[in-house]
Amino acid sequence: AQKVTQAQTEISVVEKEDVTLDCVYETRDTTYYLFWYKQPPSGELVFLIRRNSFDEQNEISGRYSWNFQKSTSSFNFTITASQVVDSAVYFCALSGVDTGGFKTIFGAGTRLFVKA
Amino acid sequence: GAGVSQTPSNKVTEKGKYVELRCDPISGHTALYWYRQSLGQGPEFLIYFQGTGAADDSGLPNDRFFAVRPEGSVSTLKIQRTERGDSAVYLCASSPTAGNGYTFGSGTRLTVV
Repeated sequence: AQKVTQAQTEISVVEKEDVTLDCVYETRDTTYYLFWYKQPPSGELVFLIRRNSFDEQNEISGRYSWNFQKSTSSFNFTITASQVVDSAVYFCALSGVDTGGFKTIFGAGTRLFVKA
Repeated sequence: GAGVSQTPSNKVTEKGKYVELRCDPISGHTALYWYRQSLGQGPEFLIYFQGTGAADDSGLPNDRFFAVRPEGSVSTLKIQRTERGDSAVYLCASSPTAGNGYTFGSGTRLTVV
């Protein structure tokens, strides 16, 4: 079975603070993909990043960075110097290739409030 | 098209009625997915198409739900004998091939009264 857990239901920060969104996953597959999506108040889900299970290199894109650690089955997302426009629900997702057949399972999401 | 288009954006129907939800994916995207999202929850997988065939329909809740993609492009999600519990936002997404990040549509908000 595959599972994604986002333990933080809501996080509230003040603008310019750094914030980390946690994601822990479970899968028996050796080949899998991990994703983060953003769902702003407008409602449309936006793809942010995909990592495959064989690439544990951390990634940085502007103020966003992702930390993938297979040893702890975690794929955490950090926003540096948060801005009001970062306010959204963020979803971590998992797609297992061996048994999951590319079906992507989403976590319950973390709602981020960034206050001015 | 430029993005994934879903119609209608809103649908209100009476309990017991039949509804069809349409998804027009990005041109050339072979993989198409249907998800359902209830308030405060993450998207729940329903079905995935690779080309014209349903590669995985394990998420369809029961036999009242059915989806087709006859020409490998537009897909229709069909719900028979709707129930109030079917009320949710139905999301469609597409990707160039399986395993890539998805482009989601804006969704169809279905309300069963």
